[in-house]
Amino acid sequence: AQSVTQLGSHVSVSEGALVLLRCNYSSSVPPYLFWYVQYPNQGLQLLLKYTSAATLVKGINGFEAEFKKSETSFHLTKPSAHMSDAAEYFCAVSDREAAGNKLTFGGGTRVLVKP
Amino acid sequence: DAGITQSPRHKVTETGTPVTLRCHQTENHRYMYWYRQDPGHGLRLIHYSYGVKDTDKGEVSDGYSVSRSKTEDFLLTLESATSSQTSVYFCATGPGLAATGELFFGEGSRLTVL
Repeated sequence: AQSVTQLGSHVSVSEGALVLLRCNYSSSVPPYLFWYVQYPNQGLQLLLKYTSAATLVKGINGFEAEFKKSETSFHLTKPSAHMSDAAEYFCAVSDREAAGNKLTFGGGTRVLVKP
Repeated sequence: DAGITQSPRHKVTETGTPVTLRCHQTENHRYMYWYRQDPGHGLRLIHYSYGVKDTDKGEVSDGYSVSRSKTEDFLLTLESATSSQTSVYFCATGPGLAATGELFFGEGSRLTVL
């Protein structure tokens, strides 16, 4: 079974500072990996995805993530936080070989951006 | 964005009453999913469908049933709602294994069971 662990349920950063959200996964086969963002009272939007092409993936709004197979990690970063980055972020894994194309999500990390 | 609409968006009901949530998509995606979102748990899969009349259980399926009579509609039913089913429910769709696994989400339905 797949699982996803996000370290830290809440992260507070200053505007202009580095944003680093950690995600570790377990999967018996090479996975697809995703980061989604959820703004208050909205659904989830895809930030970026890893599908076995480049290990450094660039997404929307200046975010990027690096797939490290040896560490089973897919950490999300943004060099300079903006007030609009305040949201909840979810890491997710999909077993590309399993039926159903299901996503397994981590518990989420809520980001607070301080002025 | 995939056209995914959920109804109702908000509902308050009492313990023991039946509740049905509806998800409607306009993207002709093969797969549809119901997730629930609870603090600290992220999103957990309730049921999913891989075609008309084809459904399967997710990790938290107890107390829920689903139906899919048309490609575009996926219904989630709570036969007898309990307070533990107070949650935000999200519908998602996906084109299937031929794609890269990305899912598209609706806006969510907030259910409160008193």
